[in-house]
Amino acid sequence: ETGVTQSPTHLIKTRGQQVTLRCSSQSGHNTVSWYQQALGQGPQFIFQYYREEENGRGNFPPRFSGLQFPNYSSELNVNALELDDSALYLCASSPMQGQGDLQFFGPGTRLTVL
Amino acid sequence: QKEVEQNSGPLSVPEGAIASLNCTYSDRGSQSFFWYRQYSGKSPELIMFIYSNGDKEDGRFTAQLNKASQYVSLLIRDSQPSDSATYLCAVSPPNDYKLSFGAGTTVTVRA
Repeated sequence: ETGVTQSPTHLIKTRGQQVTLRCSSQSGHNTVSWYQQALGQGPQFIFQYYREEENGRGNFPPRFSGLQFPNYSSELNVNALELDDSALYLCASSPMQGQGDLQFFGPGTRLTVL
Repeated sequence: QKEVEQNSGPLSVPEGAIASLNCTYSDRGSQSFFWYRQYSGKSPELIMFIYSNGDKEDGRFTAQLNKASQYVSLLIRDSQPSDSATYLCAVSPPNDYKLSFGAGTTVTVRA
C-alpha cells in the first residue's frame, strides 16, 4: 500500500512570490487535508478536500487556495508569500467517507520564505 | 482558551519506566481523539485513536479518555530510547473532520 507522498521536500522562495505544493493521497483514500506547522507548534488546519470540493477551511486568508483532482491528489497554492508563511506544510489523507478524521500524514514540504 | 492543551515538557523518563502524557480539550462535543508521534524533522505519525470513554491498549501504548472531564491521556509502558519524540494530541470537533492539535509534549527517554 502506497502512503501519502508530497513534493517538493524543501522549497525556498522570496516574499511576494507564489508557490504550489503537491500531495498524492494514500491508496483507497479520497479525502485530503492540508496543515501548516510552524516551528515548535502543533499543525494548524488550512482546509480539506473531498470529491474535488473544499470541505471545511481553517483561519487562513484567501491567498491560501487548493485543488483536488479526480485521482484524489491535491495542490496547495499560496500567493503573495509572507515571511510568516515559513513552515512545514503537511498533507494528510483519510479513508472513505465516515472516517474523514482518521488522517495519515505525508512527509511534508518545508517552505522557507526569505 | 486554546482548543487543545498539552504540557510542553520536556518530560524525561528513564528507560523501562512509564511515560504519562496529558491533554485537555475545550469543546465538550468533541467525538474523536488522536495521538501522533513526531520525531524531530519528520511528519506526525498516527499511533493511537480513541472514540469512547475508557482505555484502549495497543502494544506498549494505552490511550485513556474521560469525556466528562474533557481529558485524554497517553501512557507509554516500558519506555525505550526510540520513544523519544514529540507527542501531539489531536481532537476532532463534532460533525467536522478537521483536527485541532495541541502544541505537543516532548518526551526524552534516558538510557
